[in-house]
Amino acid sequence: QVQLQESGPGLVKPSETLSLSCTVSGGSISSYYWSWIRQPAGKGLEWIGRIYSSGSTNFNPSLNSRVTMSVDTSKNQFSLRLSSVTAADTAVYYCARDGHDGVDVWGQGTTVTVSS
Amino acid sequence: DIQMTQSPSSLSASVGDRVTITCRASQTISNYLNWYQQKPGKAPKLLIYAASSLQSGVPSRFSGSGSGTDFTLTISSLQPEDFATYYCQQSYSTPWTFGQGTKVEIK
Repeated sequence: QVQLQESGPGLVKPSETLSLSCTVSGGSISSYYWSWIRQPAGKGLEWIGRIYSSGSTNFNPSLNSRVTMSVDTSKNQFSLRLSSVTAADTAVYYCARDGHDGVDVWGQGTTVTVSS
Repeated sequence: DIQMTQSPSSLSASVGDRVTITCRASQTISNYLNWYQQKPGKAPKLLIYAASSLQSGVPSRFSGSGSGTDFTLTISSLQPEDFATYYCQQSYSTPWTFGQGTKVEIK
């Protein structure tokens, strides 16, 4: 059974870069899209973007200029970097498998707070 | 971006009730519509994909229908563990977008 685990700092200063990684266990990272989705406290879900195992990406235009994603198939990991963060980027960040039919596997989520 | 609008935003229901949640897309999305359940402090869970296909392991009291722009999630007999927030999501074109959520509360 595929499991995902997010890791990274829980506190980031304004204007700095948020960096998170997601480790895939119980299955291969190959041949799937892998997404990042976030959720501010008490609010809805926002799709940040996705990366295919080959490295091709799609991003949400609302964040496009600040987002980079990478994949390391040798480590079964993929990563998110979000630059120039503000308080509006404070949220729970989920990594997830973007399956052929829906987002079918989710990490437990990691809370990232942007504050000085 | 495709806008997804759910209704109602919240509802109160009793155990055993039939519950219906609707989701409307701002443009046609064929059947590229998924439904998720989220409980407090937990990640969302995929319930229904491709508008009407039940994800493996999901109880059969959950069903989905619709095509084009209008979709429905139905819980045929509400159980205590079903009190949660439900989201629709379109996977027709990126950026994927979600509805604002429907919170199902105990009456």
